[in-house]
Amino acid sequence: EVQLVESGGVVVQPGGSLRLSCAASGFTFDDYAMHWVRQAPGKGLEWVSLISWDGGSTYYADSVKGRFTISRDNSKNSLYLQMNSLRAEDTALYYCAKDIYPYSYGPGDYWGQGTLVTVSS
Amino acid sequence: EIVMTQSPATLSVSPGERATLSCRASQSVSSNLAWYQQKPGQAPRLLIYGASTRATGIPARFSGSGSGTEFTLTISSLQSEDFAVYYCQQYNNWATWTFGQGTKVEIK
Repeated sequence: EVQLVESGGVVVQPGGSLRLSCAASGFTFDDYAMHWVRQAPGKGLEWVSLISWDGGSTYYADSVKGRFTISRDNSKNSLYLQMNSLRAEDTALYYCAKDIYPYSYGPGDYWGQGTLVTVSS
Repeated sequence: EIVMTQSPATLSVSPGERATLSCRASQSVSSNLAWYQQKPGQAPRLLIYGASTRATGIPARFSGSGSGTEFTLTISSLQSEDFAVYYCQQYNNWATWTFGQGTKVEIK
């Protein structure tokens, strides 16, 4: 059974930093690209970032480019999101999602339950 | 940037009735279009990908159609568990996703 479990969400002050983690199990982690998607309270879904199966390629939404860094450790079946220079508008539930296709890019077929990041003074 | 626009924002439907949700892309996304269902307090669930392929375990009452810029999700006979928010998503723009703003399907 595929499982994705996010952690690391806390309350942080504006300008602060945070690292989110996503522990994956139930599939061959290093065969699949992984995504971070966020959802502000009461709002819709916003794609944040993607990392390829081997970690060699990364992509970011314009809203986080230069502030967030996605990474993965395939030996630990783990995905990460380093978040710097946090702003109030980064407040959201952050989901990790597994891409549906091995060695390619497509939609997300499995999602974690999310971890809440609150940016507030 | 590809913009995805969903309509209507809210759809009021009686159980057993048919629901039709629309999604329009600002430029062609070919058939690289997915639909998700999200219930309160839950993560999104993939329903349809490739515009018309049902994901694993999705009931046959859910169907998708369209290509290019115009897409439709149809729920043939709404069940109580289908009342939720539905999002379309394009993945044609290599390695990036864009979501529509969502359509809430509520009980009439």
